[in-house]
Amino acid sequence: QVQLQESGPGLVKPSGTLSLTCAVSGGSTSYPNWWSWIRQPPGKGLEWIGEIHHSGTTHYNPSLESRLTISLDKSNNQFSLELTSVTAADTAVYFCARMGIVSIERWGQGTLVTVSS
Amino acid sequence: EIVLTQSPGTLSLSPGERATLSCRASQSVSSNYLAWYQQKPGQAPRLLIFAASRRATGIPDRFSGSGSGTDFSLTISRLEPEDFAVYYCQLYGSSPPLYTFGQGTKLEIK
Repeated sequence: QVQLQESGPGLVKPSGTLSLTCAVSGGSTSYPNWWSWIRQPPGKGLEWIGEIHHSGTTHYNPSLESRLTISLDKSNNQFSLELTSVTAADTAVYFCARMGIVSIERWGQGTLVTVSS
Repeated sequence: EIVLTQSPGTLSLSPGERATLSCRASQSVSSNYLAWYQQKPGQAPRLLIFAASRRATGIPDRFSGSGSGTDFSLTISRLEPEDFAVYYCQLYGSSPPLYTFGQGTKLEIK
């Protein structure tokens, strides 16, 4: 069954760009599916960041849309997140996921990204 | 934007007891768009229920979901030690496409 693994820097400087990649195994990003990013600040609840379809269509959380890009790399079976102009409020565990029927069906294990100088 | 409010914030019960967790939406929603997740410390959430009452693959039948309109609930019929965790409800909104979560209910051992 599909597995997802996040990777990227664990520390980003304020005003910098947070970049993460999600490697998909046991499934293909070329098949009809939506793929999402979700985050969770330490000790807090969950926030959906955005999603991308295998066709390239994206939907973003309006609260993050101006700083956000989600892209798909079918040749490497992965998708990515870029969040610009980060602040301490962007410190969180970032999860990638495969979407199901208007729900989040399969999650990666998550990766902690800290924004600090 | 529709807000989901979960109650109680913390629920203290013993193994073998029945747990009922509530999720209330700020306006009426389609039950097709309501899901529940379980999260244990240091782990990713796990999908339990989608479309308000449909169990996800591999989820034991002691977990059940119900509700409509603004009021939804997750019931665990007989608590097992591994069920003590944080539970989140989640709603899909189509205009614009957006997934929102409740703030969570912590189910702890009494």
